[in-house]
Amino acid sequence: EAQVTQNPRYLITVTGKKLTVTCSQNMNHEYMSWYRQDPGLGLRQIYYSMNVEVTDKGDVPEGYKVSRKEKRNFPLILESPSPNQTSLYFCASSPLAGATDTQYFGPGTRLTVL
Amino acid sequence: DQQVKQNSPSLSVQEGRISILNCDYTNSMFDYFLWYKKYPAEGPTFLISISSIKDKNEDGRFTVFLNKSAKHLSLHIVPSQPGDSAVYFCAASAGTDKLIFGTGTRLQVFP
Repeated sequence: EAQVTQNPRYLITVTGKKLTVTCSQNMNHEYMSWYRQDPGLGLRQIYYSMNVEVTDKGDVPEGYKVSRKEKRNFPLILESPSPNQTSLYFCASSPLAGATDTQYFGPGTRLTVL
Repeated sequence: DQQVKQNSPSLSVQEGRISILNCDYTNSMFDYFLWYKKYPAEGPTFLISISSIKDKNEDGRFTVFLNKSAKHLSLHIVPSQPGDSAVYFCAASAGTDKLIFGTGTRLQVFP
């Protein structure tokens, strides 16, 4: 089954404790991205990757890191989480960059930073 | 600055009636528009799209209308069904640039 998986689905952590949210897709997609969803702000892009070893900042990259060592995986790293990073996070992938290829979203990771 | 706006955070419609969800944009370079649907505890899923060379696209009960002069996009669902209850996001892009999403409209379809 074609899908985007994220782990963990739920996470409660404390300020400053490094964490990684994993994302994996099995569709051989080149383009992957991370979004956060906050009330009244919709989905905002954090980082994206056009292909292996090619990553770039989205609209809200502060406090986040990513890596793309393999085509299928695109982990999101929070080196020192803060309460303002409490949010719902979505990973997405598409065959190519741009809207002409619709994005496939993972199920989301709800992160709470205390 | 919000380039894609959904001014109605919520909408309630009776089953069988038409649901109309609206979206406005400010960037005249946008040339592709999409609607995504999101159920609780799931990721958004693609619903329907439209290119700027068209003014209407239809897929079953779902129709998207594009008014370029007004920079306005709307999604019509006819007839509305309880299973349509979800959050709907409109999104837009210019060329191969990233998607810009709106803030979402929560649709509730009641019996």
